[in-house]
Amino acid sequence: ETGVTQSPTHLIKTRGQQVTLRCSSQSGHNTVSWYQQALGQGPQFIFQYYREEENGRGNFPPRFSGLQFPNYSSELNVNALELDDSALYLCASSLGLGDTQYFGPGTRLTVL
Amino acid sequence: KQEVTQIPAALSVPEGENLVLNCSFTDSAIYNLQWFRQDPGKGLTSLLLIQSSQREQTSGRLNASLDKSSGRSTLYIAASQPGDSATYLCAVRLGVGNNDMRFGAGTRLTVKP
Repeated sequence: ETGVTQSPTHLIKTRGQQVTLRCSSQSGHNTVSWYQQALGQGPQFIFQYYREEENGRGNFPPRFSGLQFPNYSSELNVNALELDDSALYLCASSLGLGDTQYFGPGTRLTVL
Repeated sequence: KQEVTQIPAALSVPEGENLVLNCSFTDSAIYNLQWFRQDPGKGLTSLLLIQSSQREQTSGRLNASLDKSSGRSTLYIAASQPGDSATYLCAVRLGVGNNDMRFGAGTRLTVKP
């Protein structure tokens, strides 16, 4: 059984660009959540997807958007990148809503 | 609004010591509380999960307690080892159908050989 995987590992973008981050859920998991972790802080909830639909959102602007595909893999898209978007982006999958979340290794995004 | 605080922010101990990490939260209406370990630049590894109806959970040298009424949890690590060096995060889940977890900023633990 494979765990949660994320790609790419690292990414460097410039202000104003757009970025797409990818996450493959653990086998059999239909729920995925995305978190942003700034340096020295705990992760902050961005949103979650359940069976391909957004099912909850944290305090992030609309330029943070996502998708979940029929195979339950997921994307996080960020438009009009700002310097403060530099962070570690984590995705977590779970068997269903409210079940234990298993985290991927993260994508380190640097915005210059 | 649920806020999670972890004290201390950093802790350095000699190998073999027993230690306690603290986590407090402002709203006692939680579904569960989870402790994670994070190595530098890496993702999160779940250590222990305590449901709101439980008082404690144990796994090997780790023991986590939960006092929901006072908004506190502790993670006890027995006989610490250099390999325990990492950042330890606690997180509370707000509802059964909600994957929104509120995290503390973590305690950075260093265990010296």
